[in-house]
Amino acid sequence: EAQVTQNPRYLITVTGKKLTVTCSQNMNHEYMSWYRQDPGLGLRQIYYSMNVEVTDKGDVPEGYKVSRKEKRNFPLILESPSPNQTSLYFCASSFTGVVTEAFFGQGTRLTVV
Amino acid sequence: AQKVTQAQTEISVVEKEDVTLDCVYETRDTTYYLFWYKQPPSGELVFLIRRNSFDEQNEISGRYSWNFQKSTSSFNFTITASQVVDSAVYFCALSVRGGANSKLTFGKGITLSVRP
Repeated sequence: EAQVTQNPRYLITVTGKKLTVTCSQNMNHEYMSWYRQDPGLGLRQIYYSMNVEVTDKGDVPEGYKVSRKEKRNFPLILESPSPNQTSLYFCASSFTGVVTEAFFGQGTRLTVV
Repeated sequence: AQKVTQAQTEISVVEKEDVTLDCVYETRDTTYYLFWYKQPPSGELVFLIRRNSFDEQNEISGRYSWNFQKSTSSFNFTITASQVVDSAVYFCALSVRGGANSKLTFGKGITLSVRP
């Protein structure tokens, strides 16, 4: 089944404790991206990757890191999480960039206390 | 810069009513793509439709229809004879072709509640 898989689905952590949210897609898509969803703000892009080893900042990259060492994986790293990073996070992939349909993961609800 | 405005934040209708969700976009590019996504209460994001800027044909898919008007920079979504299962948050999104700014810009979403 074609899918984007994120883990974990739910995470509660403490301020400053490094964490990684994994994202994997099995559709051989070139483009992957991370979004955060906050009430009243919709979805905002954090980082995106056009292809392996190519990443770039989205609208809200502060406090996040990403890497794209393999085509299928695009982990999101929070080196020192803070409470303002409490949010619902989505990973997405698409075949050729932003001009084609995006497939989204199930979402990761992160709470930083 | 690109922008998507969904001025309606919450809409509540009774089942079987028709409802239109508005989307207004801004971009300086002549080639762009418009999308609608649905987020049901379970939380996942589901793709509904994609339109490119050169295709102004309206589209109908069952109870769903989309009206794309470049003259007013709008891409509105109508649900005919709404059902409880249509209750969700609906996002309109805009992208422009590639380059250094390859991103999908979302509106803030419209929460649709369909009451039985």
